[in-house]
Amino acid sequence: DSGVTQTPKHLITATGQRVTLRCSPRSGDLSVYWYQQSLDQGLQFLIQYYNGEERAKGNILERFSAQQFPDLHSELNLSSLELGDSALYFCASSVGDRSQETQYFGPGTRLLVL
Amino acid sequence: LAKTTQPISMDSYEGQEVNITCSHNNIATNDYITWYQQFPSQGPRFIIQGYKTKVTNEVASLFIPADRKSSTLSLPRVSLSDTAVYYCLVVRSGAGSYQLTFGKGTKLSVIP
Repeated sequence: DSGVTQTPKHLITATGQRVTLRCSPRSGDLSVYWYQQSLDQGLQFLIQYYNGEERAKGNILERFSAQQFPDLHSELNLSSLELGDSALYFCASSVGDRSQETQYFGPGTRLLVL
Repeated sequence: LAKTTQPISMDSYEGQEVNITCSHNNIATNDYITWYQQFPSQGPRFIIQGYKTKVTNEVASLFIPADRKSSTLSLPRVSLSDTAVYYCLVVRSGAGSYQLTFGKGTKLSVIP
């Protein structure tokens, strides 16, 4: 158990819909990272937040957005969903905002878009 | 972005030492090399990180030559529970941005 929690574990929705994935970092961690893992694209970094502020952006689509709240939990919002958005979405956390810090990954949310 | 290349898969017998090499030809001066392990349907788990030469912890060793264009993860005496995908990650930091690049991963199968 990494100490990072993600909800829900599974999510099934339809194309065009919007969903919100939630992540609670390890106690004391200020950085939250979001990743997408699909069979064809592998593990891709989406976005990082540190203490409520966006710190880095990766391959995140414009239809996706994220935020980190004062209590440090984070939400990833996926809108206008397409079949290709079906994937495992992982959240990770680290103590600080230096990219070489160890990241602790949550168990993931499996999203299926029908 | 620092692109990484690693073998798609490897097989090993239990009890053997396994070495997985990752190529990162365009690694930059301030880049770190990190390896993660992932079991099916679980999040990746940190194994080891290094900048140069050799780093060892309780589960693995990481060898990085002087030119840093490659790195080798060494797993001593693997067991069936080491069957997983291993990712090589080059972490680049810079002013105002942090680029994280995962390799495609190496699927290690440990055979009894």
